[in-house]
Amino acid sequence: DQQVKQNSPSLSVQEGRISILNCDYTNSMFDYFLWYKKYPAEGPTFLISISSIKDKNEDGRFTVFLNKSAKHLSLHIVPSQPGDSAVYFCAASAGSSNTGKLIFGQGTTLQVKP
Amino acid sequence: EPEVTQTPSHQVTQMGQEVILRCVPISNHLYFYWYRQILGQKVEFLVSFYNNEISEKSEIFDDQFSVERPDGSNFTLKIRSTKLEDSAMYFCASSDRGSDEQFFGPGTRLTVL
Repeated sequence: DQQVKQNSPSLSVQEGRISILNCDYTNSMFDYFLWYKKYPAEGPTFLISISSIKDKNEDGRFTVFLNKSAKHLSLHIVPSQPGDSAVYFCAASAGSSNTGKLIFGQGTTLQVKP
Repeated sequence: EPEVTQTPSHQVTQMGQEVILRCVPISNHLYFYWYRQILGQKVEFLVSFYNNEISEKSEIFDDQFSVERPDGSNFTLKIRSTKLEDSAMYFCASSDRGSDEQFFGPGTRLTVL
């Protein structure tokens, strides 16, 4: 069951540069998308979300872009900081179900080098 | 800042034993969830709970699993007879509405020997 895919297991960027994390989905019923950050031995921490009625949502250094026709979303972090080094998960839900069930991608490990 | 808490942080049990994992969701949240992450794999949905009943469960959530909100603050996951393949990190989450972002606890690492 690969409804949400993050095809890059890892990404390494220099401090101050842009980090771009990608996510693809297959289920057309998904209408709400979230990004979570996870440090080792901690639970996922909510970062930013986007509804399918939008194509962009921005919160400080974090911006999420949604391309519904391509079933693709991306998370941009600008500028990247060493503290951003973590595993990033993309997640999706079908709001029509209203149960809130999230389907997660496999995660991308981001390393930001000083 | 309110947060979801989970106890214990690590539980070791023998195969066939019952375990209860405990969670205290954020106090004004109405929707509660359990997820698990087997080492090296993705986070998987187990069950969602609203208004004192299960609203959705996954194929993983078979008859060996049950959830309960016994006292208005705790939310528990019980595994009746643990198997080796139940070894995983179990995350509790809560949200204000079913369509909102979910806030996760730190997880309980379950090791079944």
